[in-house]
Amino acid sequence: DTGVSQDPRHKITKRGQNVTFRCDPISEHNRLYWYRQTLGQGPEFLTYFQNEAQLEKSRLLSDRFSAERPKGSFSTLEIQRTEQGDSAMYLCASSSVAGGPDNEQFFGPGTRLTVL
Amino acid sequence: GESVGLHLPTLSVQEGDNSIINCAYSNSASDYFIWYKQESGKGPQFIIDIRSNMDKRQGQRVTVLLNKTVKHLSLQIAATQPGDSAVYFCAERPGTYKYIFGTGTRLKVLA
Repeated sequence: DTGVSQDPRHKITKRGQNVTFRCDPISEHNRLYWYRQTLGQGPEFLTYFQNEAQLEKSRLLSDRFSAERPKGSFSTLEIQRTEQGDSAMYLCASSSVAGGPDNEQFFGPGTRLTVL
Repeated sequence: GESVGLHLPTLSVQEGDNSIINCAYSNSASDYFIWYKQESGKGPQFIIDIRSNMDKRQGQRVTVLLNKTVKHLSLQIAATQPGDSAVYFCAERPGTYKYIFGTGTRLKVLA
């Protein structure tokens, strides 16, 4: 296993378009997180899945954002009607539930979104 | 690649010296803290963690100190190397699975 992968690595879109990003976590990792990071800032939590259940969702996640993890493996993050303020790096992380909640999160390389 | 932390506070350290990076966290209910390292174009990488029932934890060349009284976290890197140059973030977990990251500090190692 080569770690968490994200696709695409870069996405340029026009304002108003919909975009979808994919995250493939490390095999057998039950927990999956999405974060957003803008230049000069730390990652901001967006949402958390344990298996296929979305257990926590940030208030930052407006109704234009939706995330799914239908089979408890890969996850998708969709942004509808993109705005220029959505331009950011979108990071995915995964961790194992075995052994308790303090397990290390492994981050993917991120998807860089630019909205023109 | 992605350039992380263009306007972050910067700590410049001579190679071989020790580095101390500080972080103030916000939530007194946070029970778990992590330090991450992020290099340009990459996602954050776990360095070391500490639970709230501890005040110090040591790893390989790194030590994390936790002062719950003043809600302060620090990361000490011994014998800083050029490969340590990166942006460092602390993160707190306020009792749920949500993690809150700090703003970050850029560490520059001078040869």
